[in-house]
Amino acid sequence: GAGVSQSPRYKVAKRGQDVALRCDPISGHVSLFWYQQALGQGPEFLTYFQNEAQLDKSGLPSDRFFAERPEGSVSTLKIQRTQQEDSAVYLCASSPGQGGGYTFGSGTRLTVV
Amino acid sequence: AQSVTQLDSQVPVFEEAPVELRCNYSSSVSVYLFWYVQYPNQGLQLLLKYLSGSTLVKSINGFEAEFNKSQTSFHLRKPSVHISDTAEYFCAVTSNGGYQKVTFGTGTKLQVIP
Repeated sequence: GAGVSQSPRYKVAKRGQDVALRCDPISGHVSLFWYQQALGQGPEFLTYFQNEAQLDKSGLPSDRFFAERPEGSVSTLKIQRTQQEDSAVYLCASSPGQGGGYTFGSGTRLTVV
Repeated sequence: AQSVTQLDSQVPVFEEAPVELRCNYSSSVSVYLFWYVQYPNQGLQLLLKYLSGSTLVKSINGFEAEFNKSQTSFHLRKPSVHISDTAEYFCAVTSNGGYQKVTFGTGTKLQVIP
């Protein structure tokens, strides 16, 4: 596609519920990143994929967070047993490679109530 | 490890006045530098980037930033702002090499006053 597509755009979850956030990167982009942006803050790195390989997951805040990109294209970020502190905008970005800079999606705003 | 500092959380400026948004970075290796803009309820858009070569880089809408290695800075400037420039601006850094894990600053909200 022409840009990075994320769905859903908004998600309200009850505390304890599991959620799945989808990212459809730009076709052909090898690199895919997930970021978490809390209200009033800059984006914080969560995890990085190169094709289907998850090369860095050092930013995932707990073992309740899990990401996958099984075919090297679409990626899903899953949060189990959501907590209120998980409320944030989750941004996905893709990149063709070195030095290109990211293209971000519009994000998924998750609100845990 | 790398980090980005944006000292100003908010910058109010009158329309048609000049503006400078400050950014300082810290890194033990060579870097690429970026400015992203975020309009309300939208994702981040790349405004401009420094990879190599000329230290002065420009965007299509009149913004420019200068990489200053000795001062580890990458300040963003515009000589005359418009109402439409009202947004949040994020400075970001990544290492020159590796897979480009990008570190963002906390952002500066630019408010253009009519």
